[in-house]
Amino acid sequence: KAGVTQTPRYLIKTRGQQVTLSCSPISGHRSVSWYQQTPGQGLQFLFEYFSETQRNKGNFPGRFSGRQFSNSRSEMNVSTLELGDSALYLCASSLVETGFDEQYFGPGTRLTVT
Amino acid sequence: LAKTTQPISMDSYEGQEVNITCSHNNIATNDYITWYQQFPSQGPRFIIQGYKTKVTNEVASLFIPADRKSSTLSLPRVSLSDTAVYYCLVGDNTDKLIFGTGTRLQVFP
Repeated sequence: KAGVTQTPRYLIKTRGQQVTLSCSPISGHRSVSWYQQTPGQGLQFLFEYFSETQRNKGNFPGRFSGRQFSNSRSEMNVSTLELGDSALYLCASSLVETGFDEQYFGPGTRLTVT
Repeated sequence: LAKTTQPISMDSYEGQEVNITCSHNNIATNDYITWYQQFPSQGPRFIIQGYKTKVTNEVASLFIPADRKSSTLSLPRVSLSDTAVYYCLVGDNTDKLIFGTGTRLQVFP
């Protein structure tokens, strides 16, 4: 069974631009969560989707948004990029609807904002 | 969401048993305890989850005392490839995952 895939793996953007990251969960998984990881703040929860609905949201500004499609694939968008948005963005999927079940993480997208 | 406290770092040598303790004094009745492992530039990987007493799988054991205010992840006979950051998380099945700072384990030859 294929794991969680994220595209692109690496991305370089400039301040003020926007970016869209994509995540394909493990087949059959309906819950998708997104995390931001930086050296200073560690792993921080962004949001979680289940059946195309956002179920949980972390403490990030409105520039960070996401969505989930009917096939459970998910995208996250960051608008008006700031230097501090440079991070590893991780997507995780789980089989059940709730967030605390075993989550399977993808390899992440490394975003660099210049 | 119960807050967790774990050592920032630990050192060990190959072949030794490593025990990483996590404190979670405010754990709630419905909360489970879960451990993840993360290698550099990779996503975290689920290691083990438990509710009480002892849980064992092919890679680790999890010991939870009766009061559940702490838990200990035990890694038997570590190897160099076990060098990673280990995260302890506490929550129930409605919670999102909240990662703390984790414990950076360095295994030496």
